[in-house]
Amino acid sequence: KNQVEQSPQSLIILEGKNCTLQCNYTVSPFSNLRWYKQDTGRGPVSLTIMTFSENTKSNGRYTATLDADTKQSSLHITASQLSDSASYICVCILTGGGNKLTFGTGTQLKVEL
Amino acid sequence: GAVVSQHPSWVICKSGTSVKIECRSLDFQATTMFWYRQFPKQSLMLMATSNEGSKATYEQGVEKDKFLINHASLTLSTLTVTSAHPEDSSFYICSAGPRGAGYTFGSGTRLTVV
Repeated sequence: KNQVEQSPQSLIILEGKNCTLQCNYTVSPFSNLRWYKQDTGRGPVSLTIMTFSENTKSNGRYTATLDADTKQSSLHITASQLSDSASYICVCILTGGGNKLTFGTGTQLKVEL
Repeated sequence: GAVVSQHPSWVICKSGTSVKIECRSLDFQATTMFWYRQFPKQSLMLMATSNEGSKATYEQGVEKDKFLINHASLTLSTLTVTSAHPEDSSFYICSAGPRGAGYTFGSGTRLTVV
C-alpha cells in the first residue's frame, strides 16, 4: 500500500532556530516528491519539487533532501520566523498514476517568541 | 506559474440548502481539476476528479448526488453541495495544473452548515 508518513506530528521551536521535518514513503513507482506549506484556513502552497534523481532542492530558507534508496525525505527550515507556523505536508506523486497525489500525515509547526 | 483561484473563501448556509464552490485556472487551461475535503488536523482527502466536458470521477464512498461537479469549460470547475447538512461542514479545496496535473491548490473554502 502506498503510504507517506511524516514525523514529528507536531513541533514547537523558538524564533530564529532551525528545524528538520521528516518524511518516509513507500510510494512506488515514484515520480516526484513535493513539500507543501499549509497555513490555517488556506490551501497548500508548494515549497519544493524533487524528482527521484535529485538529492536536494532549496527555496530560500527551505531545503529539502531526498534519499531514494531509503525512501526518505526531509525539509530543513533555517532561521525560523513566526510566519513559518503552519502545517507542512509531504506529497508523493506516482509514476503513471494519473497524477494522483499521496499525501503525508503532515507536521504541525509552531514558532514562538 | 500556475494560479488556481477558488471562491468563496468561506460560506455559511442553512441546513437543507445548496452551496456552489468555484475553482478557476487563471493562467492555463485545465482539462482536469481535483476536489478535496479536509477535516481539522487531518490530511486532504480526494473526493473527485473533474473532467472538462465529461462526467466527474468520484472516489469510493463519496456521494455523487450530494456533491455535484460541473466542468463546463477549460478554466472552471464547480462543486455544489446539495441539501447540505451540518456533517457536510468542512474545508473544501480544489487543485489543478497544466497537462492535467493537480499540483497547484486553490485557497480553499470553509463551509459551515447551520
